[in-house]
Order: sequence, then C-alpha cells, then structure tokens
Amino acid sequence: DVKVTQSSRYLVKRTGEKVFLECVQDMDHENMFWYRQDPGLGLRLIYFSYDVKMKEKGDIPEGYSVSREKKERFSLILESASTNQTSMYLCASSDLGAFDTFGSGTRLTVV
Amino acid sequence: GDSVTQMEGPVTLSEEAFLTINCTYTATGYPSLFWYVQYPGEGLQLLLKATKADDKGSNKGFEATYRKETTSFHLEKGSVQVSDSAVYFCASGDSNYQLIWGAGTKLIIKP
Repeated sequence: DVKVTQSSRYLVKRTGEKVFLECVQDMDHENMFWYRQDPGLGLRLIYFSYDVKMKEKGDIPEGYSVSREKKERFSLILESASTNQTSMYLCASSDLGAFDTFGSGTRLTVV
Repeated sequence: GDSVTQMEGPVTLSEEAFLTINCTYTATGYPSLFWYVQYPGEGLQLLLKATKADDKGSNKGFEATYRKETTSFHLEKGSVQVSDSAVYFCASGDSNYQLIWGAGTKLIIKP
C-alpha cells in the first residue's frame, strides 16, 4: 500500500525552539507539499516542491522553511517556533496523473 | 484566480437522512475535481474524483457529478451513517495536480 508517512503524530515544543517535521513518501512522486490546517481556515499551503532541491513558496511561507535533499523526503522547518504556529500540519505528495496523497498529520503545540 | 467554495458547516443530520454538500468552483481551464474526507484525528483521504465534465465519481455510497454548466461538484449520499461524521473538503486540480481547496464542511450525524 502506498504511503506518505509523517514522523510524529503529536509534538509539543517551546517558543523559540527549532522544529523539524519530516515527511517521507514511497510512491516516487515528483511533487510534495506542506499544508497547515486550522479550524475555520481549511488547508493553507506553506511550501511545495516539484523536484529534489527545488522549493516554491505557498500562500503562508512566513516563519517556515523546507528542505528536499532526496526525492522521497520533504522536511518542514520552523526556525524559531511561536505560539501562532500551533496547528495541524499535513504533508502530501502527487505526480502527473496522480492525486494528492496525504500523511496522517502532525499536531504541533507550541507553548 | 481559481477558487473553490463549499457550504459552511457544521451540517447536522439524523442517521439515514439524505446528504448534500454543495461545492462550486471557478477555473480558467478544465480542472479535475475531488472530494476528500478527514475523519477525527486523521489526515485527508481521497473520497472520489471526476476528471471531465459529466463524469460521476462514486465511493462508499457517496456520489458527485462534474457539472460544467453550473461549475459545481456537489457531494451526495442517499442514507448517511454515524460513521460518516467527518470533515469533507472539495478541491480542484490543474494538470500538475496542485490542488485548490475549499474551506471544508464538518458533517455531524446523530443516531
């Protein structure tokens, strides 16, 4: 069964910490995405990547960065976590002719 | 730009009731259309999709028909169950499958 795996289901971090959220897909997809999901706001795209070492800003990139050193792995980095980054983070991958496949999500709480 | 609008929730129904969740889209081309479902505490799963006008997507008793003339992709189910309680997202996708998302509709089914 094809999968997108996010490394953590729940994370609690302190304000100012550097936070890494990891995502791995086993479908050889070209495209990978990071979204955040907040009540009443739906899904908002943070960053996406069309290829290794390529990244594009989404709708809300401020406070985040990403890394894609290998095709199967796409990392989201919070350089200095803040309380307004408390959210559910969803990773997805896709390819031409293939729809977005999502991971189970990481619920991040910044205290 | 392209957008997806779906009805606000929550939608509350009794078990075995008929369900409709409205979704309309704006697009410059002819996107594929999707419904995703998110069960409590989980990531998003593709529920159904349609890739061209008049196509009907169906899965688990849910259906949606791609209506180009009304730019709509309404989700329907004839008899809902408590286990259908979830958040439903409508989305449109371009040729590279970068999705445009609706805000989500929370569905609550009461026994």
